[in-house]
Amino acid sequence: EIVLTQSPATLSVSPGERVTLSCRASQSLSSSYLAWYQQKPGQSPRLLIYSTSSRATGIPDRFSGGGSGTDFTLTISRLDPEDFAVYFCQQYYSFPRLTFGGGTKVEIK
Amino acid sequence: QVHLVQSGDEVKRPGASVKVSCKASGFTLSNYAIHWVRQAPGQRLEWMGWINADNGGTTYSQNFQGRITLTRDASANTAYMELNNLRSEDTAIFYCARSNPAGLTFIDYWGQGALVTVSS
Repeated sequence: EIVLTQSPATLSVSPGERVTLSCRASQSLSSSYLAWYQQKPGQSPRLLIYSTSSRATGIPDRFSGGGSGTDFTLTISRLDPEDFAVYFCQQYYSFPRLTFGGGTKVEIK
Repeated sequence: QVHLVQSGDEVKRPGASVKVSCKASGFTLSNYAIHWVRQAPGQRLEWMGWINADNGGTTYSQNFQGRITLTRDASANTAYMELNNLRSEDTAIFYCARSNPAGLTFIDYWGQGALVTVSS
């Protein structure tokens, strides 16, 4: 099973700041088979990024994804108040056997 | 507009079974695959299995093999997840989620989730 490790577990930041979240895989995912999701309390996850760096429909361009192999990142260039949430990565290299990272909580400082 | 609407929250006794439905709207279920994902309190999301809603083919996680059955009713545009022999560790939100059935694709839409509480 491919294990995804996200860091940090929690990020305390102020609105307007830039943040970078990390997702490390236990084996190579090539450059394409990673997605990022946002989940707010009481809501289901929402797709942000697929194929490592492609934004989903309607996602603002302050969200960007990058990486390859085993190391991937999600960057939010300027945090908006609505961006405070939990973010998790998901690999689909071993489709259909998907695995998810443990999540990074972005909270208000 | 794409929606996956799940059935309501349930409370079950240990050893019982639960069947959660997932009704698709805004798209034809049989053109996609449906995954089921468990989110237990304080735990990471856990993939349970998937069903190709076109041909009914399924793959299950080893962690749930023998206890889970995924089905679909194309005429009702609805997928189902049945989990047997429930235990307290199954207390969780269960999500259905859509992906392209062609393989090596991501989940693009999620249902609202169904909370299943297992308690004696």
